Amino acid sequence: NAGVTQTPKFQVLKTGQSMTLQCAQDMNHEYMSWYRQDPGMGLRLIHYSVGAGITDQGEVPNGYNVSRSTTEDFPLRLLSAAPSQTSVYFCASSPRGGGNQPQHFGDGTRLSIL
Amino acid sequence: AQSVTQLGSHVSVSEGALVLLRCNYSSSVPPYLFWYVQYPNQGLQLLLKYTSAATLVKGINGFEAEFKKSETSFHLTKPSAHMSDAAEYFCAVSLGGYQKVTFGTGTKLQVIP
Repeated sequence: NAGVTQTPKFQVLKTGQSMTLQCAQDMNHEYMSWYRQDPGMGLRLIHYSVGAGITDQGEVPNGYNVSRSTTEDFPLRLLSAAPSQTSVYFCASSPRGGGNQPQHFGDGTRLSIL
Repeated sequence: AQSVTQLGSHVSVSEGALVLLRCNYSSSVPPYLFWYVQYPNQGLQLLLKYTSAATLVKGINGFEAEFKKSETSFHLTKPSAHMSDAAEYFCAVSLGGYQKVTFGTGTKLQVIP
């Protein structure tokens, strides 16, 4: 059972470039989230989804887009990369009623913007 | 709205000593509380969760946490630290259902031989 799979694991971009971080889960979880982790700031929620076709903004959504066309996939798009988006990005999923269920995390994507 | 505060960004203990990592929460309704552990270059893994069934919650790897409503606390403890416990620990709070989960800023645990 693969759980939550994130690709790529590492990426270097130039300012202004766009890219998509991929996230896939094979647990049939309804609830999926994207977080960014920065030193001393814990995990901050970027966007989340409570099911296919339903997404909402988190704490730090600016500069990022998401869509959820299937239960399994929840890609995160950087529209025009900025150095402030250098971070480690984590995707997580949880079953129905996500708030009272533990989240399952991927291993992260380490993104550097030059 | 909810929030969580972890006191101490770095904690050092000797191998075999008590581990105490502090977490205080703020919530307008009874919350769901979680502790996660993160090893280097990995994602977060669930240690334990509180969902109102019992105030003392036992988790994996010998960790436990006690929910104290009067103190709005959910501190994580382990009687005897092991070298393998060195990691970063995150406390998290949620109001349940489809509500968002809010994470603390994390505490890095160092275990000294």
